[in-house]
Amino acid sequence: DAMVIQNPRYQVTQFGKPVTLSCSQTLNHNVMYWYQQKSSQAPKLLFHYYDKDFNNEADTPDNFQSRRPNTSFCFLDIRSPGLGDAAMYLCATSRSGQDNNQPQHFGDGTRLSIL
Amino acid sequence: GDSVTQMEGPVTLSEEAFLTINCTYTATGYPSLFWYVQYPGEGLQLLLKATKADDKGSNKGFEATYRKETTSFHLEKGSVQVSDSAVYFCALSDRNTGGFKTIFGAGTRLFVKA
Repeated sequence: DAMVIQNPRYQVTQFGKPVTLSCSQTLNHNVMYWYQQKSSQAPKLLFHYYDKDFNNEADTPDNFQSRRPNTSFCFLDIRSPGLGDAAMYLCATSRSGQDNNQPQHFGDGTRLSIL
Repeated sequence: GDSVTQMEGPVTLSEEAFLTINCTYTATGYPSLFWYVQYPGEGLQLLLKATKADDKGSNKGFEATYRKETTSFHLEKGSVQVSDSAVYFCALSDRNTGGFKTIFGAGTRLFVKA
């Protein structure tokens, strides 16, 4: 089945130690997103890629960066994690189009804990 | 800017009860509307969608009708099951939100008791 896969499902890191979360997709969608979600609140968009074009949200901290080496993979790098960065990180994909009715397809997320 | 407001939870129902979760939106354009569901420990899944006024989206016994005159997209199910316990997010996508971005409501947690 075509899907969005996030690895690992659970990640523990130390305060200030860089960490990378990964996402892969077999849907061949050209748009990929990273969200931060805390305690079943609404997902908060960090950034998205439209093909190779990177789009950062204005309130995304500089501590968060992303890479998309090809259509299938996207990475979230947290350079110096703080306690406030403990959250569920969700990757999603969608098709682009002239209309706005394309849903997003989510992975199961990576739960990040900071020691 | 565009926004989505949905009823606060948690909502607690007994099995086979009728469910309504209210959702209203504001948008400068002509948005598409979605309901997503999130089961514990999982990502969001699309539950249903509607792309124009008076469209009804439906899936797994859930329904929602796009009401432009009241800017609403309320989620309903006639008879809930324990397995429906989850968090439900109303969302919109509008060209004016910046191309491909989706605006999510705050989510409504549903508990269904046996």
